[in-house]
Amino acid sequence: DAGVIQSPRHEVTEMGQEVTLRCKPISGHNSLFWYRQTMMRGLELLIYFNNNVPIDDSGMPEDRFSAKMPNASFSTLKIQPSEPRDSAVYFCASNPGTENTEAFFGQGTRLTVV
Amino acid sequence: RKEVEQDPGPFNVPEGATVAFNCTYSNSASQSFFWYRQDCRKEPKLLMSVYSSGNEDGRFTAQLNRASQYISLLIRDSKLSDSATYLCVVGLNTDKLIFGTGTRLQVFP
Repeated sequence: DAGVIQSPRHEVTEMGQEVTLRCKPISGHNSLFWYRQTMMRGLELLIYFNNNVPIDDSGMPEDRFSAKMPNASFSTLKIQPSEPRDSAVYFCASNPGTENTEAFFGQGTRLTVV
Repeated sequence: RKEVEQDPGPFNVPEGATVAFNCTYSNSASQSFFWYRQDCRKEPKLLMSVYSSGNEDGRFTAQLNRASQYISLLIRDSKLSDSATYLCVVGLNTDKLIFGTGTRLQVFP
């Protein structure tokens, strides 16, 4: 298995532009997570899905952020409009969706908003 | 209070030393516990799960104290390659995982 696949690996965009991050979870995994990591705040859970349904989006910072999971093999995290403070590494992770199981991470998307 | 708290470090130790990290969690309903390792500019990866009875994997020992709501990680005979950030992770009675901000370890020759 190729593991969790994220794209792009790096994104540099101007303030005000729309940014879309993509994730393909491990095949057969039922849960998908979006995390954001910064030096100041560490790894923050933004939202997670189970069987393509958003379960908890309490970590989404504001209305500029939205996430979708149209099917079991694809998810997007969108920021519109982007701001410099959104600069961070965004990780997608998946797990089988059963209790007490580890999450497997993608390599992350390093976003820089200038 | 943060859901999962760790000392950010850094812990600077010589090769061969023993080092211990602690982590506290606030939700008594937490069900699963893990230690992850994250290298610079890489994704977090599972180091080991933490079981109620404590568990050991080579030079690494993890302990869980439910009464005091803390988890520990002990590394014996530190190697240069152990230098990384160690993340404490707690799961609720779902598959939602909450990460601590991590403890940075630097092992020097």
